[in-house]
Amino acid sequence: NAGVTQTPKFQVLKTGQSMTLQCAQDMNHEYMSWYRQDPGMGLRLIHYSVGAGITDQGEVPNGYNVSRSTTEDFPLRLLSAAPSQTSVYFCASSSTSGGFTDTQYFGPGTRLTVL
Amino acid sequence: KNQVEQSPQSLIILEGKNCTLQCNYTVSPFSNLRWYKQDTGRGPVSLTIMTFSENTKSNGRYTATLDADTKQSSLHITASQLSDSASYICVVRHTNAGKSTFGDGTTLTVKP
Repeated sequence: NAGVTQTPKFQVLKTGQSMTLQCAQDMNHEYMSWYRQDPGMGLRLIHYSVGAGITDQGEVPNGYNVSRSTTEDFPLRLLSAAPSQTSVYFCASSSTSGGFTDTQYFGPGTRLTVL
Repeated sequence: KNQVEQSPQSLIILEGKNCTLQCNYTVSPFSNLRWYKQDTGRGPVSLTIMTFSENTKSNGRYTATLDADTKQSSLHITASQLSDSASYICVVRHTNAGKSTFGDGTTLTVKP
């Protein structure tokens, strides 16, 4: 199994540009989520999905859109990039959304810089 | 105020020594508490996961403890190795809504 994969690894955008960060998992997990990690801060939840066709907002959803058309894929779209969105983005998946012993598997991250 | 507070923020130890990282939380009720290891430039990897009824969980040289009464958890690393240099993140999963709250992490540096 490849686990959770993310592309691209690095991206530089200009203010106002849009782009999509890709995330895929091959573990048949229902629950997927996107986080951003800023220096010296904990991971913050952007959006999450409990299954295909179902998405919801996390702590910091503004400026981002998601969709979940399949169980495997969970892309994150930046609508109009801003310097404040410079961060490292992690996608994660788990078998359930609140199980007692489930654990989240994280992708390798996408390092995004917005100029 | 973060619902999950970790201390110290950073720690430097010599190879072969033991160390203990702390995690205090206010999340309640919670379904589980997890410790992750995050190497520089990589995604977090799960080390241990404990439900609210468990007191201790080991994974090789890593031992996590949980005191649900005082809302404290610790991660003890025995006989540290250079490869233990990483950020260690405490995560508490809320019972409702499946939300998780992440601590800011402790950066551990193991020197030869």
